[in-house]
Amino acid sequence: GENVEQHPSTLSVQEGDSAVIKCTYSDSASNYFPWYKQELGKRPQLIIDIRSNVGEKKDQRIAVTLNKTAKHFSLHITETQPEDSAVYFCAANTGTASKLTFGTGTRLQVTL
Amino acid sequence: NAGVMQNPRHLVRRRGQEARLRCSPMKGHSHVYWYRQLPEEGLKFMVYLQKENIIDESGMPKERFSAEFPKEGPSILRIQQVVRGDSAAYFCASSPPGGDGELFFGEGSRLTVL
Repeated sequence: GENVEQHPSTLSVQEGDSAVIKCTYSDSASNYFPWYKQELGKRPQLIIDIRSNVGEKKDQRIAVTLNKTAKHFSLHITETQPEDSAVYFCAANTGTASKLTFGTGTRLQVTL
Repeated sequence: NAGVMQNPRHLVRRRGQEARLRCSPMKGHSHVYWYRQLPEEGLKFMVYLQKENIIDESGMPKERFSAEFPKEGPSILRIQQVVRGDSAAYFCASSPPGGDGELFFGEGSRLTVL
C-alpha cells in the first residue's frame, strides 16, 4: 500500500519568514496530493492540493510543488503569520480516488 | 449547506462498554470515510463506505470494530468492549460520487475510555 513520509515533524520560524514542509510517497499510481491544516482540537481543513498533471500550484501565500519522478511534494508558506501556527498534514491518494494516506504531520510554530 | 456532521462530539465510556459514533455526510455526498487520530499522531484510514456497502475496510481492527452506512440515516462506527487504547479522535469525511480526491472532514468525535 501507499506510504507517505513527512519532514520535519516540528518547525519553528519567525514571523515573516518562509516555511517548507516536505513529503515523499511510494505508490507511483497516486495522482492527488492534498495538504491539510489542523488547529488544536479542530478538524483537518484542506488548504491546497495538487494533481499529478501539474508541477506547481499557488494560492496567495501558499504553494505546493510536485516532483513525480522523485515521488515527492512540498508545501511552501511565505510571509508566515502567527495564525499559520498549526499542524500540517500531507496526503496522497491510493487505490480509490478519495482514499487518502496521510503523513505524520508537521507542527509549525510561528514566533513573533 | 451543512458540512459533514458528526455526533457525539465527545463521548466517555468505561472499559467494556460500547461506543457508537455517527456521521452524516455533506448533502449530495454518497461516500464516507472514517479515520482515527491518536493523540499527537496523524490520521489513520479505517474504512470506506458507500450506501449499504463497505468498499474498503483494510484499516479496521479485526475485532470489536464495525461500520455501516445504511440506505437511510447516518454512517455509524461501532466499537464494542472498548479498551483504553481506543481513546482517540474519530473523524468522518465524505466525498461526492465519482469523487476526484477531495475529502471534507467533520469536526470529529473524541472518545475517552476510562
